[in-house]
Amino acid sequence: QVTLRESGPAMVKPTQTLTLTCTFSGFSLTTSAMCVSWIRQPPGKALEWLALIDWDDDKYYSTSLKTRLTISKDTSKNQVVLTMTDMDPVDTATYYCARIRGTRMAPFDFWGQGTLVTVSS
Amino acid sequence: SYVLTQPPSVSVAPGQTARLTCGGNNIGSKSVHWYQQKPGQAPVLVVFDDYDRPSGIPERFSGSNSGNTATLTISWVEAGDEADYYCQVWHSSSDHLGFGGGTKLTVL
Repeated sequence: QVTLRESGPAMVKPTQTLTLTCTFSGFSLTTSAMCVSWIRQPPGKALEWLALIDWDDDKYYSTSLKTRLTISKDTSKNQVVLTMTDMDPVDTATYYCARIRGTRMAPFDFWGQGTLVTVSS
Repeated sequence: SYVLTQPPSVSVAPGQTARLTCGGNNIGSKSVHWYQQKPGQAPVLVVFDDYDRPSGIPERFSGSNSGNTATLTISWVEAGDEADYYCQVWHSSSDHLGFGGGTKLTVL
């Protein structure tokens, strides 16, 4: 079955770089029409899309965060990594990775449980 | 970027019908997906491509999309439907994914 699991630090300091890893099983990012995306949710607030990578290694980023984000994949490890630079307390959120089976227009059919990242000095 | 507008809250009595809207410029030309999120849990897909349901989602959940408004309709609302609901689209002209601000459904 399909599973996704986010991992990374629970806390980072302001100005540091956050690195999150999404480890997945039950599918492969070498398969045509498969994508993995990162989404975050500040406490009590709405979902916010961050970045997406597809099977062809095409990458898409939130316009507002594009300068701070890098998404990459390691198909041998079934992992997708997100880095976010220059972290700020407003970046405190639960970070989710999720799968799309299809093109980037398709829905997120499986989500990880999320990982809470707190930005504080 | 493409803006999706959802009412912050909707309240409905058990057994009634809840209609949750998602507004966007010419949203009828896009595929809209809807997610249900309960406290402390990851979102769950309830409707995709405007009106299709994933397996395991009750027929009580349905969707429509036309003009500038997409709608998620929940018939015969149950207490267990109380949750936040988000609409989502991919905006092709800017290659950007967007979520609505979410609607909190309260079952009275």
